[in-house]
Amino acid sequence: AQTVTQSQPEMSVQEAETVTLSCTYDTSESDYYLFWYKQPPSRQMILVIRQEAYKQQNATENRFSVNFQKAAKSFSLKISDSQLGDAAMYFCAYRSRRGGAGSYQLTFGKGTKLSVIP
Amino acid sequence: ETGVTQSPTHLIKTRGQQVTLRCSSQSGHNTVSWYQQALGQGPQFIFQYYREEENGRGNFPPRFSGLQFPNYSSELNVNALELDDSALYLCASSLALTSSTGELFFGEGSRLTVL
Repeated sequence: AQTVTQSQPEMSVQEAETVTLSCTYDTSESDYYLFWYKQPPSRQMILVIRQEAYKQQNATENRFSVNFQKAAKSFSLKISDSQLGDAAMYFCAYRSRRGGAGSYQLTFGKGTKLSVIP
Repeated sequence: ETGVTQSPTHLIKTRGQQVTLRCSSQSGHNTVSWYQQALGQGPQFIFQYYREEENGRGNFPPRFSGLQFPNYSSELNVNALELDDSALYLCASSLALTSSTGELFFGEGSRLTVL
């Protein structure tokens, strides 16, 4: 079974600064997806960024980028130029790429609460 | 394009009762998943429905059951409620089982409190 670990329950960052959220995972599979989701107080999970394990290039979406280290099973999220609207819970998630039953099952970490200081 | 909508947003039940939560998937999506998110925890996979059939289940007892309808909307039913069932229940839809994007679209959840 896959597991996802987020070792930072809470983080804070000054507005306009950069912060990195950590995530490690454990799997015996070689082909999978990794995600970072944001959950603001409105509760709706919003996809921030996605990484496919077979791609060596780190994914980037505007101010959000990842550092994907497949051998180390590490998947950190870097937020640049932090904004007040970035304050939320951030969840790292794993999904197997194999087809079949439960193929859309996401395994989530426990989350990191990010606060942005004005 | 209509997103994923869930109802009710909040509800309170007592131990032993039964509850039904509803989800309308995003337009064109034919796969629905349900997750349970306890306070301070990440979401846990309950089950997934594809074309009206359950095709994946997490580590939840049989008193958690579901349905998917021809219009791809879905229900989550929980019987014999226990205090530990208090949680946020999230519904997520996706385009197709074989979609290569792997992206789920989530609703805002139903907050269930069991007293």
